[in-house]
Amino acid sequence: TQLLEQSPQFLSIQEGENLTVYCNSSSVFSSLQWYRQEPGEGPVLLVTVVTGGEVKKLKRLTFQFGDARKDSSLHITAAQPGDTGLYLCAGLKLSGNTPLVFGKGTRLSVIA
Amino acid sequence: GAVVSQHPSWVICKSGTSVKIECRSLDFQATTMFWYRQFPKQSLMLMATSNEGSKATYEQGVEKDKFLINHASLTLSTLTVTSAHPEDSSFYICSASGDSSTYEQYFGPGTRLTVT
Repeated sequence: TQLLEQSPQFLSIQEGENLTVYCNSSSVFSSLQWYRQEPGEGPVLLVTVVTGGEVKKLKRLTFQFGDARKDSSLHITAAQPGDTGLYLCAGLKLSGNTPLVFGKGTRLSVIA
Repeated sequence: GAVVSQHPSWVICKSGTSVKIECRSLDFQATTMFWYRQFPKQSLMLMATSNEGSKATYEQGVEKDKFLINHASLTLSTLTVTSAHPEDSSFYICSASGDSSTYEQYFGPGTRLTVT
């Protein structure tokens, strides 16, 4: 059973379109992180959300943490080809240096 | 800040040989380092958690005698793949955590291992 369900798994859109990626769980997380990974490279941290209901913006990316801290979403406005990559959500279940729980990822392709 | 390096970035070895991969936190002290492997077009699979000065904690199904992990200092952890076989070919990624307020993990660039 996948602890963090990410959807959609694949997404191919035209440049300029908006999109939302979802990360859902039945478990509560103390924090949730979003990463972006390009082929042959390690994941790069985009944002960490900690408080239920928290919304963070990073240029055209908007991240939201659910009120119950069980789910999160990533919304990209006016997608660009440079946004292409694998987006991973990862949750920290307990406070402390414990392993992150990763979703399976969403592979985004933005076509010019 | 929060830069993690890995060496080598890619390695090709013959079946039966051992390969060592290094993971270094360059500008912070990492109390904990994590080792992952990633197959093509898949997410990261945690292999083990390594705390400085103590034995690594391996995830279920990961052979500790095959994947030797040493975390000798707060800035260096190594993963040795012993008696490598073609099925060990994968992308190995480490991450390091040292911030006790957020426990954010910072990832290395990965090491592509190909066993022939």
